[in-house]
Amino acid sequence: DTGVSQNPRHKITKRGQNVTFRCDPISEHNRLYWYRQTLGQGPEFLTYFQNEAQLEKSRLLSDRFSAERPKGSFSTLEIQRTEQGDSAMYLCAFGDRGPQHFGDGTRLSIL
Amino acid sequence: AQSVTQPDIHITVSEGASLELRCNYSYGATPYLFWYVQSPGQGLQLLLKYFSGDTLVQGIKGFEAEFKRSQSSFNLRKPSVHWSDAAEYFCAVGDNSGGSNYKLTFGKGTLLTVNP
Repeated sequence: DTGVSQNPRHKITKRGQNVTFRCDPISEHNRLYWYRQTLGQGPEFLTYFQNEAQLEKSRLLSDRFSAERPKGSFSTLEIQRTEQGDSAMYLCAFGDRGPQHFGDGTRLSIL
Repeated sequence: AQSVTQPDIHITVSEGASLELRCNYSYGATPYLFWYVQSPGQGLQLLLKYFSGDTLVQGIKGFEAEFKRSQSSFNLRKPSVHWSDAAEYFCAVGDNSGGSNYKLTFGKGTLLTVNP
């Protein structure tokens, strides 16, 4: 049990479609992070929330990406008009001092 | 900008042998350092972390790591490897300055294979 639930575990979609991922930490934590991991690479930082405020976004997060954390609990990551290059594992993590608890991720496959 | 280098892409050891995975970081101030393990199709599990204090850090599953500022290294060690340790291992460095968001920069990982 990672303490973080991510849904769906796997998403297959056609290029150009919109997708939304959800992250539910089991316990309350101020800091929540989204990372992206491509095959053979380490995770790359996408964005960070402290409570409901999105405080930092990576340049990897183009304007097709949007993330929210209403009420400072669960978070969603939406990708609009998906492209082939969006194929990756999207990981959510939380922790008071850094991303110490990761979910099992959502694997996105673009057809 | 901070960065992490894991020089070994793939390491193979025999079960029961000792293990050392290398990690070198680049960071201007005092870093904080993490090691994670990832099994196929799963997320990352935190093995251990260093923020300050004792430079030898003990973690879960019998792992330890030593912070060496002079060498900019944070190598992971285990005295006797078990078959279940086969996985990918990631080192990460973060900003430990005041007001930090504690985001991490990860290395590319080291894949560990354990032979029976």
